[in-house]
Amino acid sequence: SQQGEEDPQALSIQEGENATMNCSYKTSINNLQWYRQNSGRGLVHLILIRSNEREKHSGRLRVTLDTSKKSSSLLITASRAADTASYFCATESSGNTPLVFGKGTRLSVIA
Amino acid sequence: DVKVTQSSRYLVKRTGEKVFLECVQDMDHENMFWYRQDPGLGLRLIYFSYDVKMKEKGDIPEGYSVSREKKERFSLILESASTNQTSMYLCASSLPLGRGPYEQYFGPGTRLTVT
Repeated sequence: SQQGEEDPQALSIQEGENATMNCSYKTSINNLQWYRQNSGRGLVHLILIRSNEREKHSGRLRVTLDTSKKSSSLLITASRAADTASYFCATESSGNTPLVFGKGTRLSVIA
Repeated sequence: DVKVTQSSRYLVKRTGEKVFLECVQDMDHENMFWYRQDPGLGLRLIYFSYDVKMKEKGDIPEGYSVSREKKERFSLILESASTNQTSMYLCASSLPLGRGPYEQYFGPGTRLTVT
């Protein structure tokens, strides 16, 4: 069951620009997480935001969560070529249930 | 650092073969997961396990089985490989909710080709 849907599917920006990716989901959640995947590799956890939080920062990453709209956004500031990757949101709905991942946004940062 | 390892990065098998994909984690995590990843479809959950000898079906369990005899090891088995099982397979582990960060730690993936 696919819960999170990222938007856009692909994004291409110049180095130094900010990149914004959005995630929408359907049911109520306990937390929402963002992961990064470099080409052909496993996913790496970036940040987790709980349902009672509205914004969270980690380095150049800023995540917002709007539970009334069932949506989240990931902002990467001052992007670098090394940020080129696919980014996935994942939601945890209740108890110890598995995360449900979206299909991802493919980000290309051009030097 | 949490480490999740998968037995092979690349694997080529013939149709009808029995295929074993092994996953080992070194952080004493209770939860382990197997996903497959296909272009345009994202990650889809095949099976997961919350404890030794315990398994639960995910969204697409057909054609697969799993084994968890030890806490650190979770094996995915393709009983009779078919070409539509050509995919990237990702293993992950995590602590249970309420016992620490619930993020999942992923292995590097196994790209399986069935010919």
